[in-house]
Amino acid sequence: KNQVEQSPQSLIILEGKNCTLQCNYTVSPFSNLRWYKQDTGRGPVSLTIMTFSENTKSNGRYTATLDADTKQSSLHITASQLSDSASYICVVDYAGNNRKLIWGLGTSLAVNP
Amino acid sequence: NAGVTQTPKFQVLKTGQSMTLQCAQDMNHNSMYWYRQDPGMGLRLIYYSASEGTTDKGEVPNGYNVSRLNKREFSLRLESAAPSQTSVYFCASRTESGSPLHFGNGTRLTVT
Repeated sequence: KNQVEQSPQSLIILEGKNCTLQCNYTVSPFSNLRWYKQDTGRGPVSLTIMTFSENTKSNGRYTATLDADTKQSSLHITASQLSDSASYICVVDYAGNNRKLIWGLGTSLAVNP
Repeated sequence: NAGVTQTPKFQVLKTGQSMTLQCAQDMNHNSMYWYRQDPGMGLRLIYYSASEGTTDKGEVPNGYNVSRLNKREFSLRLESAAPSQTSVYFCASRTESGSPLHFGNGTRLTVT
């Protein structure tokens, strides 16, 4: 079954600290893996998109990694800010018949002062 | 440049009532999508329109209809609302498959 699982479910860190969020998937075949940030009460915003041949991609303080062999991805946030408090959602683009995006449930991150 | 605009932001309906959720994008995107987001579940695709003039069912189309009015606008209609349709509805658009989705800020719908 094509699934996307994220961990941890929720995380609390202090402002200025780093953190890493995990995404494991069983989707096959896949075209690309995406990370979205969703602030409370808002729509998701794209952070990164990586194809299966890319190992890492950065967007400011956000760095995503992808290991297509182990079907794992991570999102590393450096020097966290209060505005990083949000849900981070991993999404895998299923490339089989009936191509579609498969969404994880997200990791809820709270950055405290 | 507003991006993707959804109206209304909030709506309360009684069971059996109908309503249309509106979505417009000003980015000249070809593809538009309607998703619903429920607690404990990932976003689920209701309907999509790959290009102006075409619409297709997603994962959870029952109880909904859509209209791609023109390249900018894509509306979602609930003909007879049910409590199971209580959800947050997001409209999204993108230029082509593989490009990032751009989302509106959602319509929060409660059906009593």
